[in-house]
Amino acid sequence: DAMVIQNPRYQVTQFGKPVTLSCSQTLNHNVMYWYQQKSSQAPKLLFHYYDKDFNNEADTPDNFQSRRPNTSFCFLDIRSPGLGDAAMYLCATSRSGSTVGYTFGSGTRLTVV
Amino acid sequence: EDQVTQSPEALRLQEGESSSLNCSYTVSGLRGLFWYRQDPGKGPEFLFTLYSAGEEKEKERLKATLTKKESFLHITAPKPEDSATYLCAVQLNAGNNRKLIWGLGTSLAVNP
Repeated sequence: DAMVIQNPRYQVTQFGKPVTLSCSQTLNHNVMYWYQQKSSQAPKLLFHYYDKDFNNEADTPDNFQSRRPNTSFCFLDIRSPGLGDAAMYLCATSRSGSTVGYTFGSGTRLTVV
Repeated sequence: EDQVTQSPEALRLQEGESSSLNCSYTVSGLRGLFWYRQDPGKGPEFLFTLYSAGEEKEKERLKATLTKKESFLHITAPKPEDSATYLCAVQLNAGNNRKLIWGLGTSLAVNP
């Protein structure tokens, strides 16, 4: 089945140690998103790629970076994780002009120790 | 300010007890309204998209409706497997319309 796959499902990192989360998709969607979701909160958009064009949200900290080397893959880099960055990170995809909502991956639960 | 509010925050039902979840929105212009289901520790799962007032969509025990101010997710004769958090999100029709404005969700528990 076509899907959005996130790896790893769980990630433990040390305070200040760079970490990379990955997302791949087999849907051939041209838009990819990274969301941060904390407990009992709505997903918060960090940034998205529209094709190769990177779109950063104004309130996304500089500590968060992203790469999209090709249509299928997207990475979230956290340069110096703090305790406040512990959260579920969700990758989602969509096709521009589609009437179907975003397709989300299962998420990566990040713990900072 | 564009805003989406969901109510109630939490809802507990007995199996077979029908009810409705509410999503009210105040936005400058609506392009679409989405309903998602989210199970603990997982990503949201797409349920419905609604575009215009009066539109209705159905899937199994779920039915979503839309007016100019709010959307309802009706759950008919729920089962324990319907227990989840239900999220509503709105896409605007201007500006950065790839961004969704999310509600905080309704946590639904269905007891057998």
